[in-house]
Amino acid sequence: EAGVTQFPSHSVIEKGQTVTLRCDPISGHDNLYWYRRVMGKEIKFLLHFVKESKQDESGMPNNRFLAERTGGTYSTLKVQPAELEDSGVYFCASSQDLPGGRETQYFGPGTRLLVL
Amino acid sequence: GNSVTQMEGPVTLSEEAFLTINCTYTATGYPSLFWYVQYPGEGLQLLLKATKADDKGSNKGFEATYRKETTSFHLEKGSVQVSDSAVYFCALSVGGYNKLIFGAGTRLAVHP
Repeated sequence: EAGVTQFPSHSVIEKGQTVTLRCDPISGHDNLYWYRRVMGKEIKFLLHFVKESKQDESGMPNNRFLAERTGGTYSTLKVQPAELEDSGVYFCASSQDLPGGRETQYFGPGTRLLVL
Repeated sequence: GNSVTQMEGPVTLSEEAFLTINCTYTATGYPSLFWYVQYPGEGLQLLLKATKADDKGSNKGFEATYRKETTSFHLEKGSVQVSDSAVYFCALSVGGYNKLIFGAGTRLAVHP
């Protein structure tokens, strides 16, 4: 079974440009999460989809970040315009949607974003 | 609020040494607790978890016990190997939707 995949693995862009990150969850996983780790600090939650709906977007830092999950399959995270402080590693994770919650989240390898 | 504090690294050990990485938490309600590991060049992998007080999670020789009285979930291994070199993250989730709250991560380097 394929795991969570993310594309690209690395991205280097200039301040003010736009970048779109993609995440393909494990097939059949309704829950999809985005997290990021900035400058070696803790990994922070950004948002959570259940199928195509945003369940919780309390971690999104500002309106320069836009996440979508059309059709409830893959998800994209767009940063527009990118700022220097957006540099970091962006992780995607997915899990099944089972009664009672607390399912294990499976993480992708991350996208390393560097904004110059 | 909910938070996780784990010991700062890097932790450098010789092969076969005993490992402890401390993790304490603050949470409203009854959290589930996790240790994730990130090997060089790879994504995060779940190492072990515990969902209620006094549970012990274990995997690959690593163990951690959910201590409600001390709000701790320390990671231990009796004899580390070079292949255990990685970054270890302690995390918790509260409630039904699994949002994970992570500590800052502890880098472990094991030398032969």
